[in-house]
Order: sequence, then structure tokens, then C-alpha cells
Amino acid sequence: NAGVTQTPKFRILKIGQSMTLQCTQDMNHNYMYWYRQDPGMGLKLIYYSVGAGITDKGEVPNGYNVSRSTTEDFPLRLELAAPSQTSVYFCASSYKVWESSYEQYFGPGTRLTVT
Amino acid sequence: AQKITQTQPGMFVQEKEAVTLDCTYDTSDQSYGLFWYKQPSSGEMIFLIYQGSYDEQNATEGRYSLNFQKARKSANLVISASQLGDSAMYFCAMREGTSGTYKYIFGTGTRLKVLA
Repeated sequence: NAGVTQTPKFRILKIGQSMTLQCTQDMNHNYMYWYRQDPGMGLKLIYYSVGAGITDKGEVPNGYNVSRSTTEDFPLRLELAAPSQTSVYFCASSYKVWESSYEQYFGPGTRLTVT
Repeated sequence: AQKITQTQPGMFVQEKEAVTLDCTYDTSDQSYGLFWYKQPSSGEMIFLIYQGSYDEQNATEGRYSLNFQKARKSANLVISASQLGDSAMYFCAMREGTSGTYKYIFGTGTRLKVLA
């Protein structure tokens, strides 16, 4: 199993550009999450999904959009990039409730710089 | 108010000694979960240990143990026999919510440096 994969690993965007961060998991997890990690800080939840077709906002959703058309994929869209979105983005997934310790499995992260 | 508080921005420990990383949490849920993750300099997030709110015994995973004091709302990570490879950022996290609305909240982390 590849686990959680994210592409790209690195990206530099100009202010106002748009991009999609891809996230795919092959563990048949229902729950998927997007976090951002600013330098020296913990992770903040952007959006999460409890299954295909169901998404909800986290702590810092402004400037981002998500969709979940399949169990495997959970892309994160930045429409008008701003310098404040410079961060490392982590995608994660976890088992459905009651099947495990519900630990989250993380992707390797995408380092995004907006200049 | 912070839901997960890690009060130690940085810690040093001598190799082979034990170290405790502090974590306090705040929730009104009866059912919740507490996690510790390790983030080495390479950046990936590595799951270490989990404690459920209804678990009566403290969780242990190899050299890692979680000192769970429910009444004090603390979930400290204890690393025994520290190794140089334990040098990393450590994050405490809490899962709260009910089925369909689970969220994970992370603390700001503690940077651990193991000295030879």
C-alpha cells in the first residue's frame, strides 16, 4: 500500500494564482483531512471529509475549497493565492469510527510558497 | 481557550535518560482520544501512541508511554531510554466530536533534543 500520497511536493505560486493540491489514499479510509503547518507551529485543520460527497470546514477554511467525489481522493483548491497561504500542507486519513485507535495517517506534505 | 496546550517549546535530555513531554487538554466531550505524533526534521508526521478517554490503563508502545490523568486533563508522553534519533518535534493531539463530525486538534509542539 502506498498509504497517503500528495502531489506536488513543492510549489511556488505568484499572488493571485490558483492551484490544486492532490491527495490520494489507498486504505479505504472514510475520513480525510487537510491541515496547514506554519513555521514553528502545530497543525491547523482546514477542511475535513467523513466520506465521499461530504465535506466540512475546519479551523482555517478561508481561501480554500475542497471536494470529495471518491473515497480515495480529497483535493484542496486554492483560488487566489496570498502570501498568508505560504505553509506546509498535510493531507491525512483515518479509519471509520470504532475500527481502530482512529490514528491519522499523514501524507509527506506539500511545501507551498506564495510570492 | 487553547484546547491542547504544550507548555514546553523545547526540551533537552541526555541520551539513555527518560523524558516527559507535557500535554494538557480541554474538552467537554465524554468520549475523546489523545494522540502523540513525532515530526523529525524530514517533516513527516509519525504516529506514536494513542489513549482513549475510557481506557483505564495508560497506553504503552515500546519506549513510549502515555501518562493519562483524566481528572487533571493531562496526557503526558514519557520516552524512556532516549536515543539520538528521538530528536524531533512532538505534537499532542486530541480527537473530539461524535460520529460524522470528528475533528483533530493539535498542540503547538515540543522540540526535543537528545544529547550524546
